[in-house]
Amino acid sequence: EAQVTQNPRYLITVTGKKLTVTCSQNMNHEYMSWYRQDPGLGLRQIYYSMNVEVTDKGDVPEGYKVSRKEKRNFPLILESPSPNQTSLYFCASSQPDGTQHFGDGTRLSIL
Amino acid sequence: GESVGLHLPTLSVQEGDNSIINCAYSNSASDYFIWYKQESGKGPQFIIDIRSNMDKRQGQRVTVLLNKTVKHLSLQIAATQPGDSAVYFCAENTGGFKTIFGAGTRLFVKA
Repeated sequence: EAQVTQNPRYLITVTGKKLTVTCSQNMNHEYMSWYRQDPGLGLRQIYYSMNVEVTDKGDVPEGYKVSRKEKRNFPLILESPSPNQTSLYFCASSQPDGTQHFGDGTRLSIL
Repeated sequence: GESVGLHLPTLSVQEGDNSIINCAYSNSASDYFIWYKQESGKGPQFIIDIRSNMDKRQGQRVTVLLNKTVKHLSLQIAATQPGDSAVYFCAENTGGFKTIFGAGTRLFVKA
């Protein structure tokens, strides 16, 4: 089954404790992206990757890092999480010019 | 700045009626528009898309209309069903891999 898998689905943690949200896709897509979703703001793009070892900033990259060492994986790293990063996060993948397939989301709470 | 927005945050319709969800965009250079449906606890799902060289596209029970003159996009759902209850997002592709989402409209279907 074609899918985008995020882990964990839920996480409550404290300010400053480094965390990683993993994202994996099994569709051999070149393009992957991370979004955060906040009430009234829709989805805002954090980072995207056009292929292995190629990443670029989206609209709200501050406080986040990503890496793309393999085509199927695109982890999101919060080196020093802060409460304003409490949000619902989505990973997506697609072929170039294709529609995006989204994971089911990761709800992060930073206390 | 670039923005994609929605005219109404909430829409309530009677089961069996047609639904129309509207969206305004501001970047006249955008060439690809997508509608997504998001159900509770899930990531956005592709519904239908349209390129800027078209003004109408039909799918199964859904139609997307694009008016480039006034930068307006709409999603029409025929014979709305309870399973159509969700949040609907329009998205604008501004070239390459950058996608901007609107804030979303919540559709309620009354039985």
